[in-house]
Amino acid sequence: GDSVTQMEGPVTLSEEAFLTINCTYTATGYPSLFWYVQYPGEGLQLLLKATKADDKGSNKGFEATYRKETTSFHLEKGSVQVSDSAVYFCALSDGYSSASKIIFGSGTRLSIRP
Amino acid sequence: NAGVTQTPKFQVLKTGQSMTLQCAQDMNHNSMYWYRQDPGMGLRLIYYSASEGTTDKGEVPNGYNVSRLNKREFSLRLESAAPSQTSVYFCASTDGGGSGNTIYFGEGSWLTVV
Repeated sequence: GDSVTQMEGPVTLSEEAFLTINCTYTATGYPSLFWYVQYPGEGLQLLLKATKADDKGSNKGFEATYRKETTSFHLEKGSVQVSDSAVYFCALSDGYSSASKIIFGSGTRLSIRP
Repeated sequence: NAGVTQTPKFQVLKTGQSMTLQCAQDMNHNSMYWYRQDPGMGLRLIYYSASEGTTDKGEVPNGYNVSRLNKREFSLRLESAAPSQTSVYFCASTDGGGSGNTIYFGEGSWLTVV
């Protein structure tokens, strides 16, 4: 079945460092890919998405490119801030079932030191 | 702008007690979901409803029942709570019209079973 694998955390960086969080997926067909962010005590909220191969999603300085050849959707940011501390989830939507089931990775906790 | 609203936010149950988590969305979405979030496990799908009147099992349905009361509301019931059901529960919804649609989450319900 479809699955999402993302790098285990926690990831701890200093402010202004470069961030990469790896995400790879397994799916039949052509899923859509997402990054969600969860701040402490809150629900998940969409950070960015890409719906087809070679699309780049971007938001709040974060970027991810849908790479079909490597089945990857790595999250990057050039200069992180303390306010980026959160848990990040990679996800895919299969687009085949009538409900388009969303499958999440296990999450990566990111902590940014001032 | 309410989005997805879940109640209660916190609940403590004794083993064997029953309870219902309520969820409502005001975005006229077709699909609704219940997830549970456990440390290191990411989000796991319990049940989902592709449209009003339909429900389907997800990855971890045992011990739960659901009701899609109408297009707005999707409730999750624990008939006989067990300590293994201690978790954070998230309700979510999406338009469900295609794989690229954003899924919107409630703020979560923290459930402890003692």
